[in-house]
Amino acid sequence: QQQVKQSPQSLIVQKGGISIINCAYENTAFDYFPWYQQFPGKGPALLIAIRPDVSEKKEGRFTISFNKSAKQFSLHIMDSQPGDSATYFCAASKWGTYKYIFGTGTRLKVLA
Amino acid sequence: EPEVTQTPSHQVTQMGQEVILRCVPISNHLYFYWYRQILGQKVEFLVSFYNNEISEKSEIFDDQFSVERPDGSNFTLKIRSTKLEDSAMYFCASSIGTTFQETQYFGPGTRLLVL
Repeated sequence: QQQVKQSPQSLIVQKGGISIINCAYENTAFDYFPWYQQFPGKGPALLIAIRPDVSEKKEGRFTISFNKSAKQFSLHIMDSQPGDSATYFCAASKWGTYKYIFGTGTRLKVLA
Repeated sequence: EPEVTQTPSHQVTQMGQEVILRCVPISNHLYFYWYRQILGQKVEFLVSFYNNEISEKSEIFDDQFSVERPDGSNFTLKIRSTKLEDSAMYFCASSIGTTFQETQYFGPGTRLLVL
């Protein structure tokens, strides 16, 4: 119930392509879904976040799509660049707690 | 830009020894957290801390763990008697603390290796 399942584990995309990372959750009490980006040697940094009252949120080349009925959400990186090469974590939390439940991470490599 | 800092970046210790991991949260933040990431696995919540007390902890955070804010800037995680399975990357994070679901800012982590 507390798990967030993330796929794929790793992803290789050509420069200019679209990177798609998927996450699924079970607990319907979750109501906040952030995505974190982590570069080697650095801590995770918030990239973009969504609440279930919207189905999509876009910030620059990064878009979260949210499907409440399927309990799934995904990160789309448009026009992927080599500088996007990093590990991406989805997470979930519910109102009333400061605890994040993280997915297992996706290592993205964008080829030049 | 303000950031969370952690020391040391790497720590090697013998099983059974005590370790203290240190963090300096962002200065105006009121909520502090520790997470850990075992190699190749997900980031896991350990504990959150507010107003000098634990506000929430996970089942991982048992009696061998403790947290403290010894002064106005540092936030520490103590592992009393380390086990091999405590080997992980430990992340400190902080948030402003005015509401739930605000951004948590993570430090670069301390890689702990227990031999």
